[in-house]
Amino acid sequence: GQNIDQPTEMTATEGAIVQINCTYQTSGFNGLFWYQQHAGEAPTFLSYNVLDGLEEKGRFSSFLSRSKGYSYLLLKELQMKDSASYLCAVFKGGSYIPTFGRGTSLIVHP
Amino acid sequence: GAVVSQHPSRVICKSGTSVKIECRSLDFQATTMFWYRQFPKQSLMLMATSNEGSKATYEQGVEKDKFLINHASLTLSTLTVTSAHPEDSSFYICSARVRASGSYEQYFGPGTRLTVT
Repeated sequence: GQNIDQPTEMTATEGAIVQINCTYQTSGFNGLFWYQQHAGEAPTFLSYNVLDGLEEKGRFSSFLSRSKGYSYLLLKELQMKDSASYLCAVFKGGSYIPTFGRGTSLIVHP
Repeated sequence: GAVVSQHPSRVICKSGTSVKIECRSLDFQATTMFWYRQFPKQSLMLMATSNEGSKATYEQGVEKDKFLINHASLTLSTLTVTSAHPEDSSFYICSARVRASGSYEQYFGPGTRLTVT
């Protein structure tokens, strides 16, 4: 199996930058996802990393280090609407079935 | 991006009855769909993997006789909660897997809020 660990909750100020970390242990690795989930809604896809390095998409960037079993999601120019839960997911044990971490609840305040 | 629909969005049923939830891929064919459940402030827990034309693969601890999954076509998978009990009240989310750029992407339906009274 695998373990996925991310902080439970983070707070940040509107306009600031926040980094949400995710560490994982898996017997096989086929990629790591980040999803955003607003309360009562389904997750929406943010990013997918399979190779080491930084992937940038507008205000959101995702980083992966496979040797360290580590990823982070970087959110820039935070907006109030970014308040949500951010889920880290990895493909399970060498398959293409994603397993999710508990999620990080991000609260953005004025 | 790919669109996945789910129906109903909310359902309230009495204890002991059965509820069917539909998951459809609207503009693509999904050979594999996943069913998750999510309790408040918890992450998504995979219940089963549904492959078109074959039996679903259930995760450990999920009762296959209670949560019936059918994937009869490339665009439709259904989850039936049989003899529902209050502890089955949860947010049920389906997702469909699409092959893209040498790997896979997953798209989620909007979820179904089940309340068993």
